[in-house]
Amino acid sequence: GAGVSQSPSNKVTEKGKDVELRCDPISGHTALYWYRQSLGQGLEFLIYFQGNSAPDKSGLPSDRFSAERTGGSVSTLTIQRTQQEDSAVYLCASSLSFGGNYGYTFGSGTRLTVV
Amino acid sequence: GNSVTQMEGPVTLSEEAFLTINCTYTATGYPSLFWYVQYPGEGLQLLLKATKADDKGSNKGFEATYRKETTSFHLEKGSVQVSDSAVYFCALSERGTGANSKLTFGKGITLSVRP
Repeated sequence: GAGVSQSPSNKVTEKGKDVELRCDPISGHTALYWYRQSLGQGLEFLIYFQGNSAPDKSGLPSDRFSAERTGGSVSTLTIQRTQQEDSAVYLCASSLSFGGNYGYTFGSGTRLTVV
Repeated sequence: GNSVTQMEGPVTLSEEAFLTINCTYTATGYPSLFWYVQYPGEGLQLLLKATKADDKGSNKGFEATYRKETTSFHLEKGSVQVSDSAVYFCALSERGTGANSKLTFGKGITLSVRP
């Protein structure tokens, strides 16, 4: 597609429920990144994919968080047993390849509210 | 590890005022430096970048100079407009494809420009 698409744009869920957030990157972009944006905390790196593999999962906050990418394209971030502290905007970005020389294109994010 | 420190916000200015947003960084290698902007309701967009010492990035009247000696990349604009109201993020990434070549962001600062 022309840009990075994320869905849903807003999600309200009850504490303890599981949620899935979807990211559709720019066609041909092999690298995909998930960040979390919390009020006053800036952007926190969660995970990146190079193709379908995720070499660096160090940013995932707990084992309730997982992510996968299939076909080198769409990625899903899953949060199990959501907690109120998971409320944030989850941003996805893609780039041509992984590495410091490539610019990122960000999606508009999914605003998750856990009540 | 790498880190980016931005001045505390929010910042409120009158239209046509001069803007400076401070950014300093810590990096283990030789990073590229970026400013991203997030307009209300939109995703992050690359505003400008600089890839080596003394380089000046510029776009839309904004400028920032890569100062290796002071590890800084301050953002400036001579005359702000109401349309510049947004959240501004300083970021860095290292060259190559190692783990530090992902983008590391500062906490962001909200700029509001009054007519």
